[in-house]
Amino acid sequence: NAGVTQTPKFQVLKTGQSMTLQCAQDMNHEYMSWYRQDPGMGLRLIHYSVGAGITDQGEVPNGYNVSRSTTEDFPLRLLSAAPSQTSVYFCASRASVGNTQYFGPGTRLTVL
Amino acid sequence: DQQVKQNSPSLSVQEGRISILNCDYTNSMFDYFLWYKKYPAEGPTFLISISSIKDKNEDGRFTVFLNKSAKHLSLHIVPSQPGDSAVYFCAARYAGGTSYGKLTFGQGTILTVHP
Repeated sequence: NAGVTQTPKFQVLKTGQSMTLQCAQDMNHEYMSWYRQDPGMGLRLIHYSVGAGITDQGEVPNGYNVSRSTTEDFPLRLLSAAPSQTSVYFCASRASVGNTQYFGPGTRLTVL
Repeated sequence: DQQVKQNSPSLSVQEGRISILNCDYTNSMFDYFLWYKKYPAEGPTFLISISSIKDKNEDGRFTVFLNKSAKHLSLHIVPSQPGDSAVYFCAARYAGGTSYGKLTFGQGTILTVHP
């Protein structure tokens, strides 16, 4: 079991560029989510999904899009990158029964 | 509006002594609380949790205490080991709304255990 995987590990973008952060899990978890971690702010929820085809906004969704076409994958799209989106991004998954979320290793994104 | 707060950004402890990490929350609709541990360049990993119907949960060297009337929880690590040095996040699950059960995280506390 690879658990939750994220690619890339690091990315540098210029303002206005778009990109997709990839997330995949092999635990057959229904629930998946994206967080960003910023100094002094903890982890903040961007978007989440309770199953294939179902997504919803979290605490800080502006500037990000998600889709969930399969149970395994939950990509996060930055439509037009801004310096304020410089952060570390974590994908997480959990089963519908239970409370433990499993996190990926993170993607460190810098927007210049 | 920070609903989950960890007011100590850092904590330094000697090996073998007790580490106490604190967390306060404001929303009475939180029904489940978790602690996560994070090493540099890795994702957070689950450590221990407690339901709001309990006041204590123990797992080896780790114990979490919940004081609902004070809206306060704490994580005790006894004895502390250098390998415990990490960032610790507390998180609270919201009982209302959808079935998803969103987690709200605190800012994190950097624990350093000195040999």
